Amino acid sequence: AAGVIQSPRHLIKEKRETATLKCYPIPRHDTVYWYQQGPGQDPQFLISFYEKMQSDKGSIPDRFSAQQFSDYHSELNMSSLELGDSALYFCASSPWGTDYGYTFGSGTRLTVV
Amino acid sequence: AQTVTQSQPEMSVQEAETVTLSCTYDTSENNYYLFWYKQPPSRQMILVIRQEAYKQQNATENRFSVNFQKAAKSFSLKISDSQLGDTAMYFCAFMTGTASKLTFGTGTRLQVTL
Repeated sequence: AAGVIQSPRHLIKEKRETATLKCYPIPRHDTVYWYQQGPGQDPQFLISFYEKMQSDKGSIPDRFSAQQFSDYHSELNMSSLELGDSALYFCASSPWGTDYGYTFGSGTRLTVV
Repeated sequence: AQTVTQSQPEMSVQEAETVTLSCTYDTSENNYYLFWYKQPPSRQMILVIRQEAYKQQNATENRFSVNFQKAAKSFSLKISDSQLGDTAMYFCAFMTGTASKLTFGTGTRLQVTL
């Protein structure tokens, strides 16, 4: 079965650089969620989209932006990277209105040096 | 705001034994859902089991079962016949309504030993 695809798997950037993370949801899943998991931490909700519109917003820094495209894939854009942005970034997807939780991708490990 | 608390940072269990992971939560909502996710060393987040708050019957998935005590706001996970592949970080998570964000606990690292 198709899963949530995230790219790249690993990314190394220098401070003040920009990074773009991509997420391809499971087919027919119209809702996408982004989470950030710092080292030894639990995942923290960043932002979610439904039908290309932002549906909820969590602790996402102003330096970050995200969008969902017409094919339902989503991109998380991160600018002016800081050392503290080093983390595992998960994307998850679900059909809208589900109460079954959602399916996570394998994550993108971002390292800022 | 909802909070999820996992008071056991680490636990260890021998293969084939049973272990229970604790989770408590705080909410003023009446309609919500609870989950246990497993995160093995591969870092993939895998759904283990879910529970609907309006259902009194405890959820069961093969070797995994929960003890849901709504009045006490407690949601523990029991793993029976533990296997080496159960070694992972386990996160308790809470969701209000549908298609909503998940709020995670801080996790319990479970080590299954021979």
